[in-house]
Amino acid sequence: KQEVTQIPAALSVPEGENLVLNCSFTDSAIYNLQWFRQDPGKGLTSLLLIQSSQREQTSGRLNASLDKSSGRSTLYIAASQPGDSATYLCAVRLGSSASKIIFGSGTRLSIRP
Amino acid sequence: NAGVTQTPKFQVLKTGQSMTLQCAQDMNHNSMYWYRQDPGMGLRLIYYSASEGTTDKGEVPNGYNVSRLNKREFSLRLESAAPSQTSVYFCASSELAGWGNSPLHFGNGTRLTVT
Repeated sequence: KQEVTQIPAALSVPEGENLVLNCSFTDSAIYNLQWFRQDPGKGLTSLLLIQSSQREQTSGRLNASLDKSSGRSTLYIAASQPGDSATYLCAVRLGSSASKIIFGSGTRLSIRP
Repeated sequence: NAGVTQTPKFQVLKTGQSMTLQCAQDMNHNSMYWYRQDPGMGLRLIYYSASEGTTDKGEVPNGYNVSRLNKREFSLRLESAAPSQTSVYFCASSELAGWGNSPLHFGNGTRLTVT
């Protein structure tokens, strides 16, 4: 059974630091992987989607990488800002079926001014 | 551009009461989903609709029913609410389900408490 793990559950860093969030999955046969941001009391906002054939995706200060063989994805945030404070979740899609999306529990990120 | 709209935002029910959560999307997406989010458990799929006219069970469908009213709207019904259904419910949509490489778009959630 596919499991998606995000460690640590919470992270606090000072403003301006570069940081890496981790996502691990147990079955390397994934279709794609998506990173989301969730602000308190809000829904999830898609940040980056990496297809299984890709190694990384970039959007502004965000870079997501995918290593299927090791079952890992990382979300790199450059020059962190207080506005980056949120919970970051990853989700893996196991196949083309709409039902096969497994979410991690998220990392709650706090950027200290 | 409203995206995915959920109503109501908050609801308190007593055990045994029924209610319907509404969801509408204005992005002409084919697929729609209902998830619940509980502390420390990630999001779990309740039901989904890959396309208009179809619905299928997800991971935790017991105690729920759904209706894909048209391409825009997908409702979730609790027939007899139980305290275990206290959760935050999210509706989501995506352009394509069958091909799979389209991002999910989420509403802002409905916070449901069952006493």
